[in-house]
Order: sequence, then C-alpha cells, then structure tokens
Amino acid sequence: DAKTTQPNSMESNEEEPVHLPCNHSTISGTDYIHWYRQLPSQGPEYVIHGLTSNVNNRMASLAIAEDRKSSTLILHRATLRDAAVYYCIIAGGTSYGKLTFGQGTILTVHP
Amino acid sequence: DTGVSQDPRHKITKRGQNVTFRCDPISEHNRLYWYRQTLGQGPEFLTYFQNEAQLEKSRLLSDRFSAERPKGSFSTLEIQRTEQGDSAMYLCASGSSREDYEQYFGPGTRLTVT
Repeated sequence: DAKTTQPNSMESNEEEPVHLPCNHSTISGTDYIHWYRQLPSQGPEYVIHGLTSNVNNRMASLAIAEDRKSSTLILHRATLRDAAVYYCIIAGGTSYGKLTFGQGTILTVHP
Repeated sequence: DTGVSQDPRHKITKRGQNVTFRCDPISEHNRLYWYRQTLGQGPEFLTYFQNEAQLEKSRLLSDRFSAERPKGSFSTLEIQRTEQGDSAMYLCASGSSREDYEQYFGPGTRLTVT
C-alpha cells in the first residue's frame, strides 16, 4: 500500500473550517483514498473515501488533487466532537479491505 | 443492529496465561478484521476473514496467536502464553464485500499483561 504523510497535529477553533492535508505521492491508479477518525477511547470510524473526483457526505468533504498525489479532508464547521486522530489511508487492489494506518493527525478543537 | 461488539472490554492477565477475546460483527457483514493498537500508534492489521475463511494473516501474528470465525458469524482471538509486549488494544472491525474499505469498528478489548 502507498505510504502517506500527514502533519502530526493541527488546531482549529469551533465552528471554523478545518483542512487536513495528506500526501500520497506513490499512489497507484487503482488505489482509493480513505479517511478514518478515532475519537478518544473509541475504535476508528469511517469518514469518507474517493478515487479521483471530490466527494461530499454528511460528515466531511474530500478534495483530491488532479495528479492524485495529495488530498485534503475538509470539515466545514468544526465542533468539539470532531477532536480526534484523523487517518489518511491508501488502499486498493487485492487488499480485501485491509487498512494500513499511519500515525495520523491529532486535531484539537478550541471552544 | 447495535454495531460491532467486543468482549471483554478490559482484561488483565499475568504473563504466561492464555486469553481469548470475542467479537460479534454486524450481522449482515461477511468480512471481519482484527487489528492491534499500542499507545500513540495507529491500529495494525492482524488478520482477516471472509465468511468463515481466514484469508490473510499479518507477520505480526506469531504462533501464539490464533483466530477463528466458526460459521462465519462471531470471531475469537486467542493469545497463548501472553507476554508483556502483547499489552495493547485489540480492535475488531466488520465490513461487507460490497463496500470495500468501509469498516465498522468495535470499542476494542484492552489487554494488560503484568
């Protein structure tokens, strides 16, 4: 699976947008970009995934660069409940859904 | 459906003892995964089942570890002769082959080996 690079930590204020970057320069053509988050003392939670086009769901938006070597998870209005570790994961092919987590980005949201 | 459940939530054991954890996936899911997470690290893949077949095992899964999923429903993860290095959170996730990579995680079992 392709390696990802994320900032160790980011901070945001409540009700402001948050842009969480991820670099994945070795991504292959069939790899999907997935984002999961892990709230304190909980298991990871699926957020969003995409292949080439930008994606939106009720939780977040995923912006994918044209060359697919980077992507950005966008939380439109951060809340205190969004404080979590956010993982960007590249997976595809015959991985049968196996997820390879990195260290992720710790997001702190200030009231 | 109440999601993925794991039992027990916490387990303290002495080095050398055997432990067994249980995972009950979301009922309609045919895929089940086990991960291990140590403090400050992301989860690491251990093994994967599709229905009752164990299709992939990580090199992290030493001979002391065994997992089963009889009848393609719940799964158990057993660790024999526990070592202090086995102390970690053990996470179970389930998913559907129709929705690759959207996995639903349980709350985990925290193992402490003293």
